[in-house]
Amino acid sequence: DIQMTQSPSTLSASVGDRVTISCRASQSISIWLAWYQQKPGKAPKLLIYKASSLESGVPSRFSGSGSGTDFTLTISSLQPGDFATYYCQQYDAYPWTFGQGTKVEIK
Amino acid sequence: QVQLVQSGAEVKKPGASVKVSCKASGYTFTGYYMHWVRQAPGQGLEWMGWINPDDGDTKFAQKYQGRVTLTRDTSISTLYMELSRLRSDDTAVYYCARDKAEQLIVGAFDFWGQGTLLTVSS
Repeated sequence: DIQMTQSPSTLSASVGDRVTISCRASQSISIWLAWYQQKPGKAPKLLIYKASSLESGVPSRFSGSGSGTDFTLTISSLQPGDFATYYCQQYDAYPWTFGQGTKVEIK
Repeated sequence: QVQLVQSGAEVKKPGASVKVSCKASGYTFTGYYMHWVRQAPGQGLEWMGWINPDDGDTKFAQKYQGRVTLTRDTSISTLYMELSRLRSDDTAVYYCARDKAEQLIVGAFDFWGQGTLLTVSS
Protein backbone atom coordinates (compact mmCIF):
# COMPACT_ATOMS: atom_id res chain seq x y z
CA ASP A 1 0.00 0.00 0.00
CA ILE A 2 1.11 3.58 -0.63
CA GLN A 3 1.82 5.40 2.62
CA MET A 4 0.84 9.05 2.82
CA THR A 5 2.68 11.08 5.45
CA GLN A 6 1.52 14.56 6.39
CA SER A 7 3.47 17.19 8.25
CA PRO A 8 3.04 18.74 10.65
CA SER A 9 0.47 16.72 12.60
CA THR A 10 -0.68 19.87 14.36
CA LEU A 11 -0.25 23.47 13.34
CA SER A 12 -1.03 26.54 15.43
CA ALA A 13 -1.80 29.66 13.45
CA SER A 14 -3.63 32.97 13.60
CA VAL A 15 -6.29 34.46 11.38
CA GLY A 16 -4.59 36.01 8.37
CA ASP A 17 -1.57 33.69 8.48
CA ARG A 18 -0.30 31.85 5.43
CA VAL A 19 -0.42 28.14 6.19
CA THR A 20 1.35 25.31 4.41
CA ILE A 21 0.69 21.59 4.92
CA SER A 22 2.90 18.94 3.36
CA CYS A 23 2.02 15.47 2.17
CA ARG A 24 4.56 12.89 1.04
CA ALA A 25 3.77 9.64 -0.77
CA SER A 26 5.87 6.52 -0.29
CA GLN A 27 6.07 6.15 -4.08
CA SER A 28 5.24 8.32 -7.04
CA ILE A 29 1.53 9.02 -7.50
CA SER A 30 1.89 11.47 -10.40
CA ILE A 31 -0.78 14.12 -9.78
CA TRP A 32 -3.44 11.81 -8.36
CA LEU A 33 -3.86 13.56 -5.04
CA ALA A 34 -6.80 15.16 -3.30
CA TRP A 35 -7.08 17.37 -0.22
CA TYR A 36 -10.05 17.38 2.17
CA GLN A 37 -11.10 19.54 5.09
CA GLN A 38 -12.92 17.98 8.00
CA LYS A 39 -14.55 19.73 10.93
CA PRO A 40 -15.51 17.89 14.15
CA GLY A 41 -18.57 15.71 13.72
CA LYS A 42 -18.83 16.45 10.00
CA ALA A 43 -18.01 14.62 6.81
CA PRO A 44 -14.88 15.60 4.90
CA LYS A 45 -15.15 18.25 2.20
CA LEU A 46 -13.21 18.08 -1.05
CA LEU A 47 -10.94 21.11 -1.53
CA ILE A 48 -8.42 20.14 -4.20
CA TYR A 49 -8.21 17.26 -6.69
CA LYS A 50 -5.59 16.27 -9.24
CA ALA A 51 -3.02 17.90 -6.95
CA SER A 52 -3.82 21.49 -7.93
CA SER A 53 -7.38 21.72 -9.26
CA LEU A 54 -9.68 23.75 -7.04
CA GLU A 55 -13.04 22.13 -6.38
CA SER A 56 -16.04 24.21 -7.39
CA GLY A 57 -17.19 26.55 -4.62
CA VAL A 58 -13.95 26.36 -2.64
CA PRO A 59 -12.40 29.76 -1.88
CA SER A 60 -9.37 30.70 -3.94
CA ARG A 61 -7.24 31.14 -0.79
CA PHE A 62 -6.84 27.36 -0.94
CA SER A 63 -4.29 26.06 -3.41
CA GLY A 64 -2.46 22.81 -4.04
CA SER A 65 0.82 22.00 -5.71
CA GLY A 66 3.22 19.17 -6.31
CA SER A 67 3.64 15.97 -8.28
CA GLY A 68 5.35 12.65 -7.89
CA THR A 69 5.85 12.17 -4.15
CA ASP A 70 5.72 15.67 -2.63
CA PHE A 71 2.63 17.81 -2.36
CA THR A 72 1.56 20.96 -0.57
CA LEU A 73 -1.73 22.51 0.49
CA THR A 74 -1.52 26.27 1.05
CA ILE A 75 -4.07 28.54 2.67
CA SER A 76 -3.01 32.05 1.69
CA SER A 77 -4.81 33.91 4.49
CA LEU A 78 -6.32 31.77 7.23
CA GLN A 79 -9.95 32.53 8.02
CA PRO A 80 -11.92 31.60 11.17
CA GLY A 81 -13.77 28.83 9.34
CA ASP A 82 -10.52 27.20 8.24
CA PHE A 83 -9.66 25.80 11.66
CA ALA A 84 -10.13 22.11 10.97
CA THR A 85 -8.28 18.92 10.15
CA TYR A 86 -6.91 18.46 6.65
CA TYR A 87 -6.27 15.15 4.92
CA CYS A 88 -4.45 14.28 1.73
CA GLN A 89 -5.49 11.20 -0.25
CA GLN A 90 -3.81 9.38 -3.12
CA TYR A 91 -5.86 7.75 -5.85
CA ASP A 92 -3.10 6.51 -8.07
CA ALA A 93 -3.07 2.91 -6.85
CA TYR A 94 -5.39 0.66 -4.90
CA PRO A 95 -6.04 0.71 -2.08
CA TRP A 96 -6.53 4.45 -2.09
CA THR A 97 -5.01 5.82 1.08
CA PHE A 98 -5.18 8.94 3.21
CA GLY A 99 -2.64 10.80 5.24
CA GLN A 100 -3.02 10.81 9.01
CA GLY A 101 -4.31 14.37 9.04
CA THR A 102 -3.07 17.82 10.01
CA LYS A 103 -5.03 19.71 12.63
CA VAL A 104 -4.96 23.48 12.20
CA GLU A 105 -5.54 25.11 15.58
CA ILE A 106 -6.01 28.66 16.74
CA LYS A 107 -2.78 30.15 18.08
CA GLN B 1 -28.81 19.65 -5.09
CA VAL B 2 -26.83 16.48 -4.50
CA GLN B 3 -27.69 14.78 -1.22
CA LEU B 4 -26.53 11.53 0.31
CA VAL B 5 -28.56 10.56 3.37
CA GLN B 6 -27.38 7.61 5.43
CA SER B 7 -29.19 5.39 7.89
CA GLY B 8 -28.91 5.90 11.61
CA ALA B 9 -26.44 4.73 14.22
CA GLU B 10 -26.11 1.02 14.95
CA VAL B 11 -24.95 -1.00 17.92
CA LYS B 12 -23.93 -4.58 17.21
CA LYS B 13 -22.30 -7.46 19.04
CA PRO B 14 -19.05 -9.03 17.87
CA GLY B 15 -19.64 -11.61 15.17
CA ALA B 16 -22.84 -9.97 13.94
CA SER B 17 -23.44 -8.17 10.64
CA VAL B 18 -24.60 -4.65 9.86
CA LYS B 19 -26.13 -3.10 6.77
CA VAL B 20 -25.83 0.65 6.27
CA SER B 21 -27.84 2.48 3.62
CA CYS B 22 -27.10 5.62 1.63
CA LYS B 23 -29.97 7.28 -0.26
CA ALA B 24 -28.89 9.48 -3.13
CA SER B 25 -30.80 12.36 -4.68
CA GLY B 26 -30.23 15.38 -6.87
CA TYR B 27 -28.26 13.67 -9.63
CA THR B 28 -28.37 10.69 -11.98
CA PHE B 29 -27.95 7.78 -9.58
CA THR B 30 -26.43 5.39 -12.11
CA GLY B 31 -24.01 7.98 -13.44
CA TYR B 32 -21.53 8.11 -10.58
CA TYR B 33 -19.51 5.49 -8.73
CA MET B 34 -20.04 5.44 -4.98
CA HIS B 35 -17.36 4.78 -2.41
CA TRP B 36 -17.40 3.79 1.24
CA VAL B 37 -14.92 5.30 3.65
CA ARG B 38 -14.67 4.72 7.37
CA GLN B 39 -13.17 6.63 10.28
CA ALA B 40 -12.47 5.04 13.65
CA PRO B 41 -12.94 7.32 16.68
CA GLY B 42 -10.27 10.00 16.72
CA GLN B 43 -8.52 8.42 13.76
CA GLY B 44 -7.99 9.10 10.08
CA LEU B 45 -9.92 8.07 6.99
CA GLU B 46 -9.83 4.64 5.36
CA TRP B 47 -11.17 3.79 1.91
CA MET B 48 -13.08 0.51 1.86
CA GLY B 49 -14.33 0.06 -1.67
CA TRP B 50 -16.57 1.25 -4.48
CA ILE B 51 -19.65 0.18 -6.37
CA ASN B 52 -20.80 1.11 -9.83
CA PRO B 53 -24.53 1.79 -9.34
CA ASP B 54 -25.12 1.20 -13.04
CA ASP B 55 -24.07 -2.44 -13.23
CA GLY B 56 -23.31 -3.36 -9.61
CA ASP B 57 -19.61 -3.92 -10.24
CA THR B 58 -17.53 -3.59 -7.06
CA LYS B 59 -13.96 -3.31 -5.89
CA PHE B 60 -12.64 -3.51 -2.34
CA ALA B 61 -9.52 -2.83 -0.39
CA GLN B 62 -7.85 -6.19 0.23
CA LYS B 63 -8.40 -6.01 3.99
CA TYR B 64 -12.18 -5.98 3.49
CA GLN B 65 -12.34 -8.67 0.82
CA GLY B 66 -14.81 -11.33 1.89
CA ARG B 67 -16.28 -9.28 4.72
CA VAL B 68 -17.89 -6.36 2.90
CA THR B 69 -20.75 -6.51 0.44
CA LEU B 70 -21.79 -3.47 -1.57
CA THR B 71 -25.16 -3.47 -3.30
CA ARG B 72 -27.61 -1.01 -4.73
CA ASP B 73 -31.32 -0.66 -5.47
CA THR B 74 -31.70 1.55 -8.50
CA SER B 75 -35.49 1.76 -8.07
CA ILE B 76 -35.03 3.81 -4.90
CA SER B 77 -31.57 5.30 -5.60
CA THR B 78 -30.11 3.66 -2.53
CA LEU B 79 -26.79 1.98 -1.88
CA TYR B 80 -25.95 -0.47 0.85
CA MET B 81 -22.81 -1.50 2.66
CA GLU B 82 -22.97 -4.74 4.62
CA LEU B 83 -20.10 -5.65 6.93
CA SER B 84 -20.03 -9.13 8.45
CA ARG B 85 -18.16 -10.88 11.26
CA LEU B 86 -17.96 -7.63 13.17
CA ARG B 87 -15.11 -6.98 15.58
CA SER B 88 -14.62 -4.26 18.15
CA ASP B 89 -12.13 -2.52 15.86
CA ASP B 90 -14.90 -2.07 13.28
CA THR B 91 -16.30 0.61 15.57
CA ALA B 92 -16.21 3.68 13.34
CA VAL B 93 -18.21 6.22 11.40
CA TYR B 94 -18.98 4.88 7.94
CA TYR B 95 -19.43 7.31 5.06
CA CYS B 96 -20.71 6.91 1.54
CA ALA B 97 -18.98 9.32 -0.83
CA ARG B 98 -19.64 10.02 -4.48
CA ASP B 99 -16.86 9.86 -7.04
CA LYS B 100 -16.26 13.21 -8.67
CA ALA B 101 -16.33 12.00 -12.29
CA GLU B 102 -19.40 10.98 -14.23
CA GLN B 103 -19.26 7.45 -15.68
CA LEU B 104 -15.63 7.11 -14.56
CA ILE B 105 -13.65 6.37 -11.46
CA VAL B 106 -11.48 9.33 -10.55
CA GLY B 107 -10.94 8.57 -6.91
CA ALA B 108 -11.69 12.01 -5.50
CA PHE B 109 -14.93 12.24 -3.55
CA ASP B 110 -17.04 15.35 -4.07
CA PHE B 111 -20.17 14.64 -2.03
CA TRP B 112 -20.38 12.73 1.23
CA GLY B 113 -23.13 11.31 3.35
CA GLN B 114 -23.46 12.53 6.93
CA GLY B 115 -21.93 9.34 8.29
CA THR B 116 -23.28 6.37 10.23
CA LEU B 117 -21.75 5.49 13.59
CA LEU B 118 -21.33 1.77 14.12
CA THR B 119 -20.47 0.62 17.62
CA VAL B 120 -19.40 -2.99 18.07
CA SER B 121 -19.48 -4.04 21.69
CA SER B 122 -20.38 -7.08 23.71
